[in-house]
Amino acid sequence: KNQVEQSPQSLIILEGKNCTLQCNYTVSPFSNLRWYKQDTGRGPVSLTIMTFSENTKSNGRYTATLDADTKQSSLHITASQLSDSASYICVVSADTDKLIFGTGTRLQVFP
Amino acid sequence: EAGVAQSPRYKIIEKRQSVAFWCNPISGHATLYWYQQILGQGPKLLIQFQNNGVVDDSQLPKDRFSAERLKGVDSTLKIQPAKLEDSAVYLCASDKWGGTYNEQFFGPGTRLTVL
Repeated sequence: KNQVEQSPQSLIILEGKNCTLQCNYTVSPFSNLRWYKQDTGRGPVSLTIMTFSENTKSNGRYTATLDADTKQSSLHITASQLSDSASYICVVSADTDKLIFGTGTRLQVFP
Repeated sequence: EAGVAQSPRYKIIEKRQSVAFWCNPISGHATLYWYQQILGQGPKLLIQFQNNGVVDDSQLPKDRFSAERLKGVDSTLKIQPAKLEDSAVYLCASDKWGGTYNEQFFGPGTRLTVL
């Protein structure tokens, strides 16, 4: 069964600190893996998209990694800001371009 | 480039009433999606259109939900009659081919509360 699991479910950090969110997937055949940021009351916004051959991709203070062998991905946020408070959703695309969504990690950054 | 537009942003109705949501995708995007996102969960695909044809509606509760995209641009999603469990955010998305994958762009969503 195609599935995407994320951990932790929620996370609280202080402004300026780094954090790492995890994503494990069992999706086959694999096409690409995406990380989305969803602010409260808004639609998801794409942060990174990685194909099978990419093992790291950065977007500003966001760095995603992908290990296709172990079917794991992580999203590292450097020097967190209050505006990073949001839900982060890991999404895996199967070969048919169908997206399988994780349930997200809710991040809260406090001053 | 204008984003995906949705309206209304919020809707409160009583169970058994009907409701309709509207979506205007990004200009030139042929594929349009409707998702249902229940609080604390990831989005669930309801229906996918390619131009004005349905590609996938396998998870659309067809006894109460309907969707159309008559001219291959705007789309409406209707629920009739609504149930309490339909309370959710309804997201519309559209995508373009990026050469290697389709990149989806999401609208702000419509938050539906069924009382």
